[in-house]
Amino acid sequence: ETGVTQTPRHLVMGMTNKKSLKCEQHLGHNAMYWYKQSAKKPLELMFVYNFKEQTENNSVPSRFSPECPNSSHLFLHLHTLQPEDSALYLCASSQGYDVQETQYFGPGTRLLVL
Amino acid sequence: AQTVTQSQPEMSVQEAETVTLSCTYDTSENNYYLFWYKQPPSRQMILVIRQEAYKQQNATENRFSVNFQKAAKSFSLKISDSQLGDTAMYFCAFMKYGNYGQNFVFGPGTRLSVLP
Repeated sequence: ETGVTQTPRHLVMGMTNKKSLKCEQHLGHNAMYWYKQSAKKPLELMFVYNFKEQTENNSVPSRFSPECPNSSHLFLHLHTLQPEDSALYLCASSQGYDVQETQYFGPGTRLLVL
Repeated sequence: AQTVTQSQPEMSVQEAETVTLSCTYDTSENNYYLFWYKQPPSRQMILVIRQEAYKQQNATENRFSVNFQKAAKSFSLKISDSQLGDTAMYFCAFMKYGNYGQNFVFGPGTRLSVLP
């Protein structure tokens, strides 16, 4: 709808599993973001990439590992997660890494950690 | 650290009427941006409106307008002529000038229901 797609849309994993979330943007943008939206806390920015380089890591635990192979794709690798990591993970992109640039969000991946 | 408060967890409004969502924030910064985002049910979050703190004029986007009171650290969103498609979670957000990081802070959200 907005040019940002995320797969899978739903994911259930055990605490010992390893899984990856994928985000792809078709807008020709240069900056991409990962957010966490949980039921009990406000939306939190996790990582920011600008031209494939990570520019922000908002004190995210190492069990979350981002990867940005090119400006169109962003991954979030997950391993040994905790039940409290269950949340909606949103990806976004913007033309540039500037607060004046509008961010376009994907539909999110709803993650449940058992 | 910056904080954003939205004191109304849920609100409802009749179609075609006007509703105001409140947002207050706490910061010692002088230069910053404020945003309202809309997240419809099962749909992507989108930016509704943006305000730069140094601009005294309130931002407007069609039926959406803000009342920015810098001294009071208040940033309310007014939706005029409410439509059913306005039903969504609305998030107020704050960002100070500089890197994103912990400078991009969201409020807990207000769930708005537009009733036919």
